[in-house]
Amino acid sequence: KNEVEQSPQNLTAQEGEFITINCSYSVGISALHWLQQHPGGGIVSLFMLSSGKKKHGRLIATINIQEKHSSLHITASHPRDSAVYICAVREGSNTDKLIFGTGTRLQVFP
Amino acid sequence: DAGITQSPRHKVTETGTPVTLRCHQTENHRYMYWYRQDPGHGLRLIHYSYGVKDTDKGEVSDGYSVSRSKTEDFLLTLESATSSQTSVYFCAISPHRRTYEQYFGPGTRLTVT
Repeated sequence: KNEVEQSPQNLTAQEGEFITINCSYSVGISALHWLQQHPGGGIVSLFMLSSGKKKHGRLIATINIQEKHSSLHITASHPRDSAVYICAVREGSNTDKLIFGTGTRLQVFP
Repeated sequence: DAGITQSPRHKVTETGTPVTLRCHQTENHRYMYWYRQDPGHGLRLIHYSYGVKDTDKGEVSDGYSVSRSKTEDFLLTLESATSSQTSVYFCAISPHRRTYEQYFGPGTRLTVT
């Protein structure tokens, strides 16, 4: 079993829909990252969080440390949001290393 | 955008040949990482560096070596490329290992025939 599991693996939506991508992990963590990988391959960091909730534009990330679960929400989705969304966790507090999920591929159609 | 470049961006090579990939940063960040990305797997850490001449192995380091003689450059070498090393390789940098995000380069697509 992977230490970081994302669901769903693939997601399609109509423009304007509210999107939720989930990330569950099985290890103790000090931080969780959400990344976006564009169709061209570039990877961009969206959020780093260790508790609560963060918002940036139409993107919202939440984390529940007790339940070992995080969600990434996209409000009013747009075709330009089409990308692979990757969850990664930093295990413990004394490591440089991230453990990555396999990603959720999102396609938003007009 | 963080100033990270990778070279080459694409490479096709034959089994058994040596290959060196370069990651160059203009941010003066201390931490640098090499990852590989393969279908069905998340990004996996190959090697990382926490300063000039200071490097350590990641989870998939077999068949790879690295060097960092300057803050700005982190080289990944495949001494004798194998088909299993066909992958997309990403470099990442971070100013601080624990409290900052990692910033990724554009990637290098390597095909070993």
